[in-house]
Amino acid sequence: QQQVKQSPQSLIVQKGGISIINCAYENTAFDYFPWYQQFPGKGPALLIAIRPDVSEKKEGRFTISFNKSAKQFSLHIMDSQPGDSATYFCAATQQGGSEKLVFGKGTKLTVNP
Amino acid sequence: KAGVTQTPRYLIKTRGQQVTLSCSPISGHRSVSWYQQTPGQGLQFLFEYFSETQRNKGNFPGRFSGRQFSNSRSEMNVSTLELGDSALYLCASSLGTTHGETQYFGPGTRLLVL
Repeated sequence: QQQVKQSPQSLIVQKGGISIINCAYENTAFDYFPWYQQFPGKGPALLIAIRPDVSEKKEGRFTISFNKSAKQFSLHIMDSQPGDSATYFCAATQQGGSEKLVFGKGTKLTVNP
Repeated sequence: KAGVTQTPRYLIKTRGQQVTLSCSPISGHRSVSWYQQTPGQGLQFLFEYFSETQRNKGNFPGRFSGRQFSNSRSEMNVSTLELGDSALYLCASSLGTTHGETQYFGPGTRLLVL
């Protein structure tokens, strides 16, 4: 059972464009939603995260939009750069004494110069 | 501060063998989680250890096991290897004391089972 669904699987954007990656979840107990960025040969690294009590969080060129009623959240990358080319994973976790992350299947982003 | 380190980085084994992977967390971190990453299934949670105790376990067969030592270093073991165990195994560490803390991932161990 895939608890976090991520789309698209791959995305090609021109330099300076906006990249948008979407995720949907099923478990209403999820209460923390991080996004991870992974470059080839590296482990995932936290990019930005949000909790469901806010609808948007912005850090530099990266913004998370969160829709609690729709159980959806998305990552927007403004002014996309070739250096942003990587695989992006959304994830979710819930309280309960464990830090288990449930990941989406990832989006491979390519930003063309 | 040194990041999460994993050894070995690459490993080739044959079916039926067993393997032990090691993870050294960031200094001061007491939680270590393990994930399996494959192209088909993505990132899947294996287990989490906190202060030498398994705190949660994913949906993997009993061939997958782990442990954590008093210095927070962790090992995972896979016995009777199968071709499908070929994957990147990632560990992540965090303080483990507050829900929603940042988890820091290591570079992973790439396991190939022939």
